[in-house]
Amino acid sequence: TQLLEQSPQFLSIQEGENLTVYCNSSSVFSSLQWYRQEPGEGPVLLVTVVTGGEVKKLKRLTFQFGDARKDSSLHITAAQPGDTGLYLCAGDAGGTSYGKLTFGQGTILTVHP
Amino acid sequence: ETGVTQSPTHLIKTRGQQVTLRCSSQSGHNTVSWYQQALGQGPQFIFQYYREEENGRGNFPPRFSGLQFPNYSSELNVNALELDDSALYLCASRDITHTDTQYFGPGTRLTVL
Repeated sequence: TQLLEQSPQFLSIQEGENLTVYCNSSSVFSSLQWYRQEPGEGPVLLVTVVTGGEVKKLKRLTFQFGDARKDSSLHITAAQPGDTGLYLCAGDAGGTSYGKLTFGQGTILTVHP
Repeated sequence: ETGVTQSPTHLIKTRGQQVTLRCSSQSGHNTVSWYQQALGQGPQFIFQYYREEENGRGNFPPRFSGLQFPNYSSELNVNALELDDSALYLCASRDITHTDTQYFGPGTRLTVL
């Protein structure tokens, strides 16, 4: 069974601070996705990383996939109250498991004005 | 807006009852997946359907079953409900031949008393 350990589980910071969320596994994934989920809504895809060592930037968000494709991180620069939400990482093992995502337990981020 | 809709929004059932949840995929999406998200947890993969056939299953008992229809809408059926079945049930659809991106619906909140 593949597992994704996400940390920290909770993060409460002030507007303007930087933060990093980590997603770790002992298993290799063919791709890893980051989602953001608002209360009462389904997860919305932020980014997909597929190549070991890959770095993707989305405005103030930087996503990195580990060289061995077992871990990933999400870094937010100068956090804003609008960044508040549940952040989820999800791994796709590929092959016969293609599309069947394994999610981490999530990081609840609260950014205070 | 992802174009994926789910009904009902909320549902309350008692132990031992049966429930059917519905999902309407984005037009043209031939693959649908169902996930269970317990409170404070990440989603867990239940199963996936491709062209009306089950195409992979997570660690869920047989009392969780599904259907996908020719118009790519789908159902999740749960028999003999247990208290631990209380969760947010999410469906996600995609066109497996064109993209890795899964589009999630807003979910159905099921409460079992």
